[in-house]
Amino acid sequence: EDQVTQSPEALRLQEGESSSLNCSYTVSGLRGLFWYRQDPGKGPEFLFTLYSAGEEKEKERLKATLTKKESFLHITAPKPEDSATYLCAVQANSGNTDKLIFGTGTRLQVFP
Amino acid sequence: DGGITQSPKYLFRKEGQNVTLSCEQNLNHDAMYWYRQDPGQGLRLIYYSQIVNDFQKGDIAEGYSVSREKKESFPLTVTSAQKNPTAFYLCASTEAGREGNEQFFGPGTRLTVL
Repeated sequence: EDQVTQSPEALRLQEGESSSLNCSYTVSGLRGLFWYRQDPGKGPEFLFTLYSAGEEKEKERLKATLTKKESFLHITAPKPEDSATYLCAVQANSGNTDKLIFGTGTRLQVFP
Repeated sequence: DGGITQSPKYLFRKEGQNVTLSCEQNLNHDAMYWYRQDPGQGLRLIYYSQIVNDFQKGDIAEGYSVSREKKESFPLTVTSAQKNPTAFYLCASTEAGREGNEQFFGPGTRLTVL
């Protein structure tokens, strides 16, 4: 069964304290892995798509990496405005749909 | 600006009532999706549509219905058969048929059953 697991569930960081969020997955053929940011009461905001092991993408203080079993979202020198829930999702080679399978998210709090 | 709109932002329903959530997109996307989000759970797929006048059940379709009469619109009806409808509902869209294409989400509708 296709599955996505994110850890930790919650993470508290001091401003400037770098860390990583983990997304491990088991899918029958990966078409893409997606990272989203979600603020409370709002819809998810797209961050990155990764397609194959070894791929990396960066945006400001965020960097996403991908292996055959997991993805990491590295946050360098975070600021309070980076506080949000970060969602990971995968798209598998199952039929002809674009279905996404989501993890439960990591709730990040960055305090001054 | 291109994007996805959902209305209303908040919706209150009495038990036994059907309610309809609106989702409109002007991104010219073929595929549209409805998800449900509950605390401590990942987004779960309710229904999806890859083309006008066609839609498929997702993982938790019981108690819900949809229509896709126009490319831009994909309304979701929460029927009285849905036993636990209180949740945050998210609509998304994407270009169909392109491998690994990202889905873009609307702002969501929070439904509360009174």
